[in-house]
Amino acid sequence: AQKVTQAQTEISVVEKEDVTLDCVYETRDTTYYLFWYKQPPSGELVFLIRRNSFDEQNEISGRYSWNFQKSTSSFNFTITASQVVDSAVYFCALSGIKGGKLIFGQGTELSVKP
Amino acid sequence: DSGVTQTPKHLITATGQRVTLRCSPRSGDLSVYWYQQSLDQGLQFLIQYYNGEERAKGNILERFSAQQFPDLHSELNLSSLELGDSALYFCASSVGAFSGNTIYFGEGSWLTVV
Repeated sequence: AQKVTQAQTEISVVEKEDVTLDCVYETRDTTYYLFWYKQPPSGELVFLIRRNSFDEQNEISGRYSWNFQKSTSSFNFTITASQVVDSAVYFCALSGIKGGKLIFGQGTELSVKP
Repeated sequence: DSGVTQTPKHLITATGQRVTLRCSPRSGDLSVYWYQQSLDQGLQFLIQYYNGEERAKGNILERFSAQQFPDLHSELNLSSLELGDSALYFCASSVGAFSGNTIYFGEGSWLTVV
């Protein structure tokens, strides 16, 4: 069975702090894809990144960076110098080889205070 | 803006009633997904269509049904509504049917059953 675990339910930081959101996944597929989505208070789900299981290179996009480690089945997301606008619920998701549907974690609610 | 359009954005209806949620996928996307987001269940995959055919089924209740039309728009029909059906319903789309396609989400339809 496939599963995504985001152990951190809520995180609160002060603006300009760095914060890491953890994601651990389970799958028996050798080919799979990992995603992060952001859900701001307005409710929409915004795509942030997609990673395939063969590409363990870390990725940086502005203040966002992602660390993928197959050895620990983790795909963690770091926001550097957090801003109030980063306040949202962040979801990690997994897509296996058999189809396009996403298996979501429970989400981590990030609150960035000024 | 993801390019996925959902209507209506909000609706309130009574128990026992029937509603239809509508979704237009991104231009060029052939796959449509429906997800339900509730406080207790999180983000749950309901069903996927690809080019008019049902592709995958998740935890969709028998009272719920969906279809994808020749113009690729999709509708999710919810009948005999119960209080517990109150949730945010997302439509999403991707180019193909398979694992690895980036899935883009609409803004969701907020359903309140009273």
